[in-house]
Amino acid sequence: DIQMTQSPSTLSASVGDRVTITCRASQSISSWLAWYQQKPGKAPKLLIYRASSLGSGVPSRFSGSGSGTEFTLTISSLQPDDFAIYYCQQYNSYPRFGQGTKVEIK
Amino acid sequence: QLVESGGGLVQPGGSLRLSCAASGFTFSNYWMSWVRQAPGKGLEWVANIKQDGSEKYYVDSVKGRFTISRDNAKNSLYLQMNSLRAEDTAVYYCARDSEFVSCCGFFDYWGQGTLVTVSS
Repeated sequence: DIQMTQSPSTLSASVGDRVTITCRASQSISSWLAWYQQKPGKAPKLLIYRASSLGSGVPSRFSGSGSGTEFTLTISSLQPDDFAIYYCQQYNSYPRFGQGTKVEIK
Repeated sequence: QLVESGGGLVQPGGSLRLSCAASGFTFSNYWMSWVRQAPGKGLEWVANIKQDGSEKYYVDSVKGRFTISRDNAKNSLYLQMNSLRAEDTAVYYCARDSEFVSCCGFFDYWGQGTLVTVSS
C-alpha cells in the first residue's frame, strides 16, 4: 500500500500569508495526486487534481506542484474562507488520503 | 448532485444498507466510491465500483463484510454493510470517481454524507 504523509499537521497563519503544505508518498505516484479542502460538518471539496490542475471554480490563489513522491499545495495569499483542513489523496493505485493539515488562525 | 441515505444507529454485528442517489450527470459513465470519516478523524476510502459494476475494490478493513453495488437504471449507488463494528462508526460519503476505464481517480463531487453509528 502507498502511504501518504502530510506536513505539518497544524499550521498557524494570518490573513494574507503565503501558506505551503507538503504531501509525501511512500513510493512514486507520478502526478496522480489530488488536494481537498474540508470545513467542519461539510463534505470535502476538490481543489487540485493531477498534482497541479485547478478544480472547477477554485480560486487561482490555490496552486499545486510536484511529481513522483513529493508534492506541495500553496495558497498565495490566505483568505478568511481558507481556514480549514486540507487533505492530499493519491490515485496511482487504490485511493489513499494523507492524515490532513489544519490551517488555523494565528 | 449526490444524496446519501440509510445511515443510523446499529448494534455491533448488525447490518445496514446505504444508498446514494445521483443526478445532474451521466451516472453510468463514472466509477463511484464510498469514503468515510470517523468522528474527529481523517478521510478513508472504503470501496469503489466500475461503471458497469464488473470491478469492485475495497479497503482491507471492510473486505468480506461490505459490498458495493450500483443500479445504473436508477442512477443509484449502494453499500451493504454487514458484521458492523464500533470502528465502522463514521460519516459515509458517496463520491464521483474516475470517468476512465481503469481504476482509480480523484473525487470531484461528493454527497453531504450519512452518519453510521455502531454501538450497543
